[in-house]
Amino acid sequence: GNSVTQMEGPVTLSEEAFLTINCTYTATGYPSLFWYVQYPGEGLQLLLKATKADDKGSNKGFEATYRKETTSFHLEKGSVQVSDSAVYFCALSALPSNDYKLSFGAGTTVTVRA
Amino acid sequence: SQTIHQWPATLVQPVGSPLSLECTVEGTSNPNLYWYRQAAGRGLQLLFYSVGIGQISSEVPQNLSASRPQDRQFILSSKKLLLSDSGFYLCAWGKTGGTDTQYFGPGTRLTVL
Repeated sequence: GNSVTQMEGPVTLSEEAFLTINCTYTATGYPSLFWYVQYPGEGLQLLLKATKADDKGSNKGFEATYRKETTSFHLEKGSVQVSDSAVYFCALSALPSNDYKLSFGAGTTVTVRA
Repeated sequence: SQTIHQWPATLVQPVGSPLSLECTVEGTSNPNLYWYRQAAGRGLQLLFYSVGIGQISSEVPQNLSASRPQDRQFILSSKKLLLSDSGFYLCAWGKTGGTDTQYFGPGTRLTVL
């Protein structure tokens, strides 16, 4: 079946440090890949997505590249801010399907210190 | 633009009491709808999803149920809450026949005492 594995947290960084959160997946077919972010006490927000191999999703300084050969979708940001403190979820879509269920990773908690 | 609402935002209920959480979506028609639960410090667990009015699929057997009485309304219910039902409940919607992105509501924090 489809599954997503994220690096375990928590991750603690200083401001302006480089952030990488590893995500690998197992899927049949050609899934779409997502990163969602959850700020404290809030719902999940879509951060970025990629729908085919070699696509790069980017938003708010975050980037992730869909690597089919390594089945990975690692999230990176070159210089983090305190406001980036959140829980980050990697996810994939179980296509082909008519219900578009997502498979989520366990989430990685990131804390950025001033 | 599309928006998704959930209420209440927080809820404290005694064990054995009933539950009703509501989710509504605006600005789109015939969406796929989802209920997730997030226990403290845990990941997301898909509870139910719906591809149309009256069509509910359950992912996890439990004492919760879901209903979709209108196209853009999704309700999560229980007749008798358990302590283990405590958590953060998230509703999400996605476009039918479109992209596979899901868009989440603000969530309901449920504490069962």
